[in-house]
Amino acid sequence: DSGVTQTPKHLITATGQRVTLRCSPRSGDLSVYWYQQSLDQGLQFLIQYYNGEERAKGNILERFSAQQFPDLHSELNLSSLELGDSALYFCASSVEPDPNYGYTFGSGTRLTVV
Amino acid sequence: QQPVQSPQAVILREGEDAVINCSSSKALYSVHWYRQKHGEAPVFLMILLKGGEQKGHEKISASFNEKKQQSSLYLTASQLSYSGTYFCGTPPRAGGTSYGKLTFGQGTILTVHP
Repeated sequence: DSGVTQTPKHLITATGQRVTLRCSPRSGDLSVYWYQQSLDQGLQFLIQYYNGEERAKGNILERFSAQQFPDLHSELNLSSLELGDSALYFCASSVEPDPNYGYTFGSGTRLTVV
Repeated sequence: QQPVQSPQAVILREGEDAVINCSSSKALYSVHWYRQKHGEAPVFLMILLKGGEQKGHEKISASFNEKKQQSSLYLTASQLSYSGTYFCGTPPRAGGTSYGKLTFGQGTILTVHP
C-alpha cells in the first residue's frame, strides 16, 4: 500500500456517460497530480492541485474537470465519455508541488468505455 | 516536450547489467526515475538534481549530464524483481512551487530472465 488511495479500481461505463474518480493523497502530502495512461500515449499529465488550488494544467480535455477539497482528497470528473477515454487514470501525491520531491502513485482506476 | 528514452526494450539474464537513457531537447532541471510493473502503479526510484545530488534507491544508480541534457539509469547485477517498465520524468522548471508536474518519457521495458 503506497498510502495513496484511489477508488474505484475498475469502472465500466457506456459512451456519453459521466464518472467520478476519487483520490486520497498520502498523509502529509499537499499536492495531487492526475495522469492518464493509455497504451499508445504513455503517462500523460492532466492536472495538478496544491492545497486546494489548481497549479498546472496539461492536455486535459474540456469534458474533464477536477478539484481538490479542504480535506485534500481530489476528484476527477469525466463527462460525455468516448471510447478513446478508456485508460488507466493515476493519481499521485507529493509533499510539495516541487520537482525536487518524488511522487507516490495510487494503484489507479481502470476505466473502460463501451 | 516529452523526453526520449532508449532503448525501447531490453532483455537480460539475471546478473547482467543494463543502461537506460533519457534525453531531452530542452534544458533538464532534474530527472526522476520510476519503475512500473505490469498492472501496477509506477514506483519512485530516484531523483537526480542539478549539481549531482541524488536522492533515492540504494542498489540502482544513475547519472545526470546537464550539458548533454540527458540522464542514464544503471541497473547492475539485475534481479528478476527488476523487470518492469522504467520511466524518466522531467519538470518544466527548476525547484520551486508550482513546477512539480512531470513530463514522462515513453518508457523502457526491461525483462529479466532466470
